[in-house]
Amino acid sequence: QKEVEQDPGPLSVPEGAIVSLNCTYSNSAFQYFMWYRQYSRKGPELLMYTYSSGNKEDGRFTAQVDKSSKYISLFIRDSQPSDSATYLCAMWGSGSARQLTFGSGTQLTVLP
Amino acid sequence: DGGITQSPKYLFRKEGQNVTLSCEQNLNHDAMYWYRQDPGQGLRLIYYSQIVNDFQKGDIAEGYSVSREKKESFPLTVTSAQKNPTAFYLCASSSTGTDTQYFGPGTRLTVL
Repeated sequence: QKEVEQDPGPLSVPEGAIVSLNCTYSNSAFQYFMWYRQYSRKGPELLMYTYSSGNKEDGRFTAQVDKSSKYISLFIRDSQPSDSATYLCAMWGSGSARQLTFGSGTQLTVLP
Repeated sequence: DGGITQSPKYLFRKEGQNVTLSCEQNLNHDAMYWYRQDPGQGLRLIYYSQIVNDFQKGDIAEGYSVSREKKESFPLTVTSAQKNPTAFYLCASSSTGTDTQYFGPGTRLTVL
């Protein structure tokens, strides 16, 4: 079993929809959680960085962390065609979790 | 502009040849990383370096070598011992060994 599981999709939604992307993890030592966005044939760019359980909002993006369930989510409101990309969750912590560990990525297409 | 540059963007190699991928950063980051990305498998760590003249193997170091003679530079050599080198290679850096990682644009290597 992978330490970080992420549904690879692909996920297609109409423009304006609310998108929910999710990751689950098994190592309770993970403490810091990130979401990266990767356009085709480009390097990943950092979207969101969270530490504590709860929600963090940045414009149309909301990152949610539930440490008790070992579950993180990224919500995209009013999705746009420019949001079409692969979204990677990543996490690290202390001890056995010191190395940044990535999910396999979810491919999202927002249809105009 | 501060950032991470990788060159070349595309690289073709014949079987049995070694090839070196360049990674340079002007962010004054101490730590640098090399990842390999294959479809559906997310990012896998090849090598990382937290300080000049020191580096450690990641999860898939076999068939690869690195050097870290300067803080700004972390070149990766893909040797002929790497059995399946065709992939997208990403370089990243962070201000410490455990801080947020920022990625370069990537090099796509194809072995003919």
